Amino acid sequence: DTEVTQTPKHLVMGMTNKKSLKCEQHMGHRAMYWYKQKAKKPPELMFVYSYEKLSINESVPSRFSPECPNSSLLNLHLHALQPEDSALYLCASSPIQKQGYGYTFGSGTRLTVV
Amino acid sequence: ELKVEQNPLFLSMQEGKNYTIYCNYSTTSDRLYWYRQDPGKSLESLFVLLSNGAVKQEGRLMASLDTKARLSTLHITAAVHDLSATYFCAVDSGGGFKTIFGAGTRLFVKA
Repeated sequence: DTEVTQTPKHLVMGMTNKKSLKCEQHMGHRAMYWYKQKAKKPPELMFVYSYEKLSINESVPSRFSPECPNSSLLNLHLHALQPEDSALYLCASSPIQKQGYGYTFGSGTRLTVV
Repeated sequence: ELKVEQNPLFLSMQEGKNYTIYCNYSTTSDRLYWYRQDPGKSLESLFVLLSNGAVKQEGRLMASLDTKARLSTLHITAAVHDLSATYFCAVDSGGGFKTIFGAGTRLFVKA
């Protein structure tokens, strides 16, 4: 299995809702990432987990809460989002020792906050 | 702070022509990536360049890295319409887990 699976593919949520984005990989990668991408912009790193521990938080607002329950799963919990948080949220994974590997990205969740 | 600059940001070219996309970065890094993104889709890894002078080729695309000049190039040979996409270069920052992306080059190949 060489894929990163993200669910849901599309999500519309109100500003008072709580929702979660899910990401799963079975490649044995021990580093997992959340990126946010606005239209016509490059991806921006949000969080990095290595060995299931949060290693990088790029000063992301607390309304985004990541969780890594095990080595295959990565969640992003969303609460009280703002319309400007609407974006494509990409999950990625990589080996810890990346060497010649790029990231494997999931297909993304397109989030709309209304 | 690592900065990654790509140019051009937009490129419209005829089928059959050659062109080069440039990627400059501001601080030393040991890993540079090229990704492709189709509209509304995720990112696809094209190349990973690890050392000075590295050159990799896949089909009509060839990437190279000059770590002394902090420059990578993505050369397109005899472009075809299917190459139309946005191409990002990205560079690993210190520690290896923080990857900074360039702004992207939107390539449109006209038939």
